[in-house]
Amino acid sequence: EERLVESGGLVVQPGGSLRISCDASGFTFDDHAMHWVRQAPGKGLEWVALITWDGTGTYFADSVRGRFTISRDNSKSSLFLHMDTLRSADTALYYCARDRYSTTWGAFDLWGQGTMVTVSS
Amino acid sequence: EIVMTQSPATLSLSPGQRAALSCRASQSIGSNLAWYQQRPGQSPRLLIYGASIRATGIPARFSGSGSETEFTLTISILQSEDFAVYYCQHYDNWRLTFGGGTKVEIK
Repeated sequence: EERLVESGGLVVQPGGSLRISCDASGFTFDDHAMHWVRQAPGKGLEWVALITWDGTGTYFADSVRGRFTISRDNSKSSLFLHMDTLRSADTALYYCARDRYSTTWGAFDLWGQGTMVTVSS
Repeated sequence: EIVMTQSPATLSLSPGQRAALSCRASQSIGSNLAWYQQRPGQSPRLLIYGASIRATGIPARFSGSGSETEFTLTISILQSEDFAVYYCQHYDNWRLTFGGGTKVEIK
């Protein structure tokens, strides 16, 4: 079975840092670009970041560029999001999502269950 | 940034009825559009990509149409499990954006 399992979500103080992870199984991880998408409580979906299959291409939403970094370890089928200078507006459920393509971007055909990040003092 | 606008915000219908959800892009995106379903307490699920191609395992009652700036998701005969929130998303460039969602609720 193809699965994505996120972990690492915590309560963090404003200005703090956090790294969340996503472990993939049941498919060839490096055949796909990967994304992080977030959803604030009671709100809609917001795309956060994208990384190509080999990690050479990374792209970010304006709201997180310069504060967040996306990376992957294909040997461990894992995806990461490192978040710095966290703000209350970053409070959300963070989903890991698989792209249909490897070197470009497209629709997200597999989603994890999400990990909750809360930024609060 | 391409802005995706969905309408209506809420659609109140009965099981067995037909649902038509609209999504408009602020500029032409060709057929680079996907639709997702999110049931309460669940992760989103891909329904349609390429504006009209059903994803694996998606029932035939779901269909997508449109191109350029105007798109429609149609659910031909609503089942109880179809009452959920639906999002459109463009992927015409790397600045991927979602619409605000349409909630399909039981009337």
